[in-house]
Amino acid sequence: NAGVMQNPRHLVRRRGQEARLRCSPMKGHSHVYWYRQLPEEGLKFMVYLQKENIIDESGMPKERFSAEFPKEGPSILRIQQVVRGDSAAYFCASSPQASRDTQYFGPGTRLTVL
Amino acid sequence: AQRVTQPEKLLSVFKGAPVELKCNYSYSGSPELFWYVQYSRQRLQLLLRHISRESIKGFTADLNKGETSFHLKKPFAQEEDSAMYYCALTEGGGGSNYKLTFGKGTLLTVNP
Repeated sequence: NAGVMQNPRHLVRRRGQEARLRCSPMKGHSHVYWYRQLPEEGLKFMVYLQKENIIDESGMPKERFSAEFPKEGPSILRIQQVVRGDSAAYFCASSPQASRDTQYFGPGTRLTVL
Repeated sequence: AQRVTQPEKLLSVFKGAPVELKCNYSYSGSPELFWYVQYSRQRLQLLLRHISRESIKGFTADLNKGETSFHLKKPFAQEEDSAMYYCALTEGGGGSNYKLTFGKGTLLTVNP
């Protein structure tokens, strides 16, 4: 089991461009979580998804950010019209169930906005 | 709102010395507490959780509800313990107990 996969590992975008971050959960895991880590900060919850459903997006900024987890393929975190403040490390985690289950983290995608 | 505080950004000890990484939390209910560790060039991984009451790699952590603390301890530090340590909590019971709230982390360096 390769673990949670994220790509790209590093992403550079200019202000106003779009960023797409991908996350493939561990085999057998149907629950995906996205976290953001700003410089000098701890990880902060953004969104929790199951296949084809957004369960909790309470931590996601209301504008420019969206997430999906389609029936086939990886989960996508999409940031439109990026700004410098979006520069951060974005981590994806997955678990087989949601309640009380250990979350397994991916290596993260480091987004830099120029 | 819940909050996790790790007062030490950096902690440096010598090999064989005891180590304690501090973690305090604020949460009105009964949280579940975790310690996650990130070794150099590796991904974040769970070290231990308070409900398991187990010792992993010689580390233990006791939940002190009176002091709202969950300090991580090891009696004899090893060089391979050098890593970034994050304390985290989720809401206990039902509800949003998947939503981890992390502290800012403590970078532990164990010197030879």
